[in-house]
Amino acid sequence: ETGVTQSPTHLIKTRGQQVTLRCSSQSGHNTVSWYQQALGQGPQFIFQYYREEENGRGNFPPRFSGLQFPNYSSELNVNALELDDSALYLCASSPGLALSSYNEQFFGPGTRLTVL
Amino acid sequence: DQQVKQNSPSLSVQEGRISILNCDYTNSMFDYFLWYKKYPAEGPTFLISISSIKDKNEDGRFTVFLNKSAKHLSLHIVPSQPGDSAVYFCAASSWERSGYSTLTFGKGTMLLVSP
Repeated sequence: ETGVTQSPTHLIKTRGQQVTLRCSSQSGHNTVSWYQQALGQGPQFIFQYYREEENGRGNFPPRFSGLQFPNYSSELNVNALELDDSALYLCASSPGLALSSYNEQFFGPGTRLTVL
Repeated sequence: DQQVKQNSPSLSVQEGRISILNCDYTNSMFDYFLWYKKYPAEGPTFLISISSIKDKNEDGRFTVFLNKSAKHLSLHIVPSQPGDSAVYFCAASSWERSGYSTLTFGKGTMLLVSP
């Protein structure tokens, strides 16, 4: 059983550019969530995808968008990058929707995005 | 408005002693609580959890206590080991009306266990 993987590890972009971050979920996990972790903060929920559709979103603007594919991979796209978008972006997969002791989220190592 | 608060940014403990990490929450709709451990350059790793219907859950050296009336939970590590040195995140989950549950995290507490 492979874990959650993310690419790239690090990324540097300039303000106004667009970026795509990728995540490969654990096999069989049909739910993927994306989180943003700014320096000195805890991870903050961006959105969640279930069976290739967005089914929940946190307090993030529409320029943050995503896709989930049938092969358990997913993408986070951010348009019109701002300096405050600099953060660690984490994806987490789980086998179902409701979190419990038998349905937990497994996190990837994250992508460190720096916006200059 | 922070719904999950970890008021201690750091904690230093000697090897063999007890480490107690604290967490407070404000949302009474949270029904499931978790602790994650995070090493640098790695994603958070699940450590232990507790349902809101319980007040204690134990797993080896790790015990989580939940006080619902005080909206407070704590993680006890006994005995502490140098390998426990990491950032510990408290997280809480609730089922949203639109049909999903997700995690709300605290800011984390950096635990340093010295030999």
